[in-house]
Amino acid sequence: IAGITQAPTSQILAAGRRMTLRCTQDMRHNAMYWYRQDLGLGLRLIHYSNTAGTTGKGEVPDGYSVSRANTDDFPLTLASAVPSQTSVYFCASSDSSGTGRVFSSYNEQFFGPGTRLTVL
Amino acid sequence: ELKVEQNPLFLSMQEGKNYTIYCNYSTTSDRLYWYRQDPGKSLESLFVLLSNGAVKQEGRLMASLDTKARLSTLHITAAVHDLSATYFCAVDIRANSGYALNFGKGTSLLVTP
Repeated sequence: IAGITQAPTSQILAAGRRMTLRCTQDMRHNAMYWYRQDLGLGLRLIHYSNTAGTTGKGEVPDGYSVSRANTDDFPLTLASAVPSQTSVYFCASSDSSGTGRVFSSYNEQFFGPGTRLTVL
Repeated sequence: ELKVEQNPLFLSMQEGKNYTIYCNYSTTSDRLYWYRQDPGKSLESLFVLLSNGAVKQEGRLMASLDTKARLSTLHITAAVHDLSATYFCAVDIRANSGYALNFGKGTSLLVTP
């Protein structure tokens, strides 16, 4: 793989079900992020991780959890999906340490292709 | 609370015309980013502005940053249809959520013949 990938591409989910969105990057970036994009609201940060083993809450963290067991993977879990979580989810990564495989300007974020999630 | 405001939010312009998109933000920051998003696609990095007075140009697009005014502009010169997309500015302040970016709501640009 090259860059950052997300899976699934799209998903329709019944309310109350558990769902994990996957995100993997091969750029050795230290920081990773999850955003949701909703019409008229732009991109809003859900959770972030500045380095493997650490995570933090963003602007809209309720109903979501994340983990960062290693540098490459940053899964986002919806424990019990609700219709208001219908959105397009983007994972992103950045290199603020200068040690990534792919050079980027300070905190320039690279985005995955997105996951379109519908909760009914 | 950091606010990032873009204007206009919607812009329809004729091919060959010039226009400027504005991005204002409410908290001190030396780093501002511009992204492009095509319909149904992901975000693509356009410009990274890392200091006051920074100016970057790529083709028909030029971005600038005035940190004292807390303002960035994205200038479009002689627009062509291929520039039709949504453009986002984003501000990075270390004090907020680590290294994460705060995005404006985006400017949807449509270039017509």
